[in-house]
Amino acid sequence: DVVMTQSPLSLPVTLGQPASISCRSSQSLVYSDGSTWLHWFQQKPGQSPRRLIYKASNRDSGVPDRFSGSGSGTDFTLKISRVEAEDVGLYYCMQYIQWPHTFGQGTKLEIK
Amino acid sequence: EMQLVESGGDLVQPGGSLRLSCGASGFTFNTYWMSWVRQAPGKGLEWVAHISPDGSAKYYVDSVKGRFTISRDNAKNSLYLQMNTLRVEDTAVYYCVGWGGFANYWGQGTLVTVSS
Repeated sequence: DVVMTQSPLSLPVTLGQPASISCRSSQSLVYSDGSTWLHWFQQKPGQSPRRLIYKASNRDSGVPDRFSGSGSGTDFTLKISRVEAEDVGLYYCMQYIQWPHTFGQGTKLEIK
Repeated sequence: EMQLVESGGDLVQPGGSLRLSCGASGFTFNTYWMSWVRQAPGKGLEWVAHISPDGSAKYYVDSVKGRFTISRDNAKNSLYLQMNTLRVEDTAVYYCVGWGGFANYWGQGTLVTVSS
């Protein structure tokens, strides 16, 4: 199975400050067409997950532009340019290049 | 408005069976890959099973192979998960998830508790 490793697992951030979450995969997530098969999800307390970023760097509809995804191969990053109170929750990366699709352990973002 | 509504979660004894259902509306169900993803209490997300739009391709995580069966009825816009020989470690919220084009939809989840 492809192992997804996130860091940090806990991320205290001051309101208005940037935040960054790293995700590393145990093998390349680049598909034969050159696209990268990685998603980022947000799960707010008590809610279902919601996808934020698809194919490593594309924002889903309705996602604020303070969220951005980058990376290629095996190293990926989710960045929040200025953290707002509503961003509190868990963040997961997920690969879908190989079955079983696998998630990272999750990063808990909280406000300092 | 797009909607996925799960049902069927319950308290069941180890070794028992349960069938989860997911009703879809607001999108073209028969063009979407569909999945079940679960989340044990206080834990992360785990992909359980995945089915192609026409139901011909199915994938399972190793821990449920031979025990769980994913299926769909496109005429009824419904997804199912038949769970047999349930174990304590299957206790989780089970989410129905749809994947199509650039879209991704999640239901609100249904809780399955396996306990004696």
